[in-house]
Amino acid sequence: GNSVTQMEGPVTLSEEAFLTINCTYTATGYPSLFWYVQYPGEGLQLLLKATKADDKGSNKGFEATYRKETTSFHLEKGSVQVSDSAVYFCALSPNAGGTSYGKLTFGQGTILTVHP
Amino acid sequence: SQTIHQWPATLVQPVGSPLSLECTVEGTSNPNLYWYRQAAGRGLQLLFYSVGIGQISSEVPQNLSASRPQDRQFILSSKKLLLSDSGFYLCAWSELGGWQPQHFGDGTRLSIL
Repeated sequence: GNSVTQMEGPVTLSEEAFLTINCTYTATGYPSLFWYVQYPGEGLQLLLKATKADDKGSNKGFEATYRKETTSFHLEKGSVQVSDSAVYFCALSPNAGGTSYGKLTFGQGTILTVHP
Repeated sequence: SQTIHQWPATLVQPVGSPLSLECTVEGTSNPNLYWYRQAAGRGLQLLFYSVGIGQISSEVPQNLSASRPQDRQFILSSKKLLLSDSGFYLCAWSELGGWQPQHFGDGTRLSIL
């Protein structure tokens, strides 16, 4: 079956530090990949996505590149801010048909805390 | 633009009482709809999903049920709540197609006493 593994965390950084949150996946075919962010007490917000190999998703200074050869979709940001403190979820959705079509498989989430 | 509304935001219920959480989507037609539960602010568990009116698929056996009486309305219910039903419940929608992202509501924090 499909699975997503992301670094356990929590990750604690100082403001303006470089961020990497690792995400690897297992899936058949070519899934779509997503990063979601959840701020305290809120629902999940789509941060960025990539739908095919070598695509780079980007938003609000965050980037992730779909690497088929390493089955990875690591999240990066060059300079984090206190306001980036949240839980980050990596997820995949199979593009082919079958019983998993349209369903997201989530990683367990990584808590990021950024200190001033 | 599309919006998703979920209510109530918080709910405190006694054990054994019934439950009804509602979710509605605006600005789109025939969306896929989903109910998730999130425990301890971390991993999400898919509970139900629906591809059309009256079409509900259950992902895990449990004390809960879901219904879709209208195209853009999704309801999560229980006849008798258990302590283990406590958690953060999230509704989501997506367009048809595996590459389409899901869009989430603000969630309902359910506490069972």
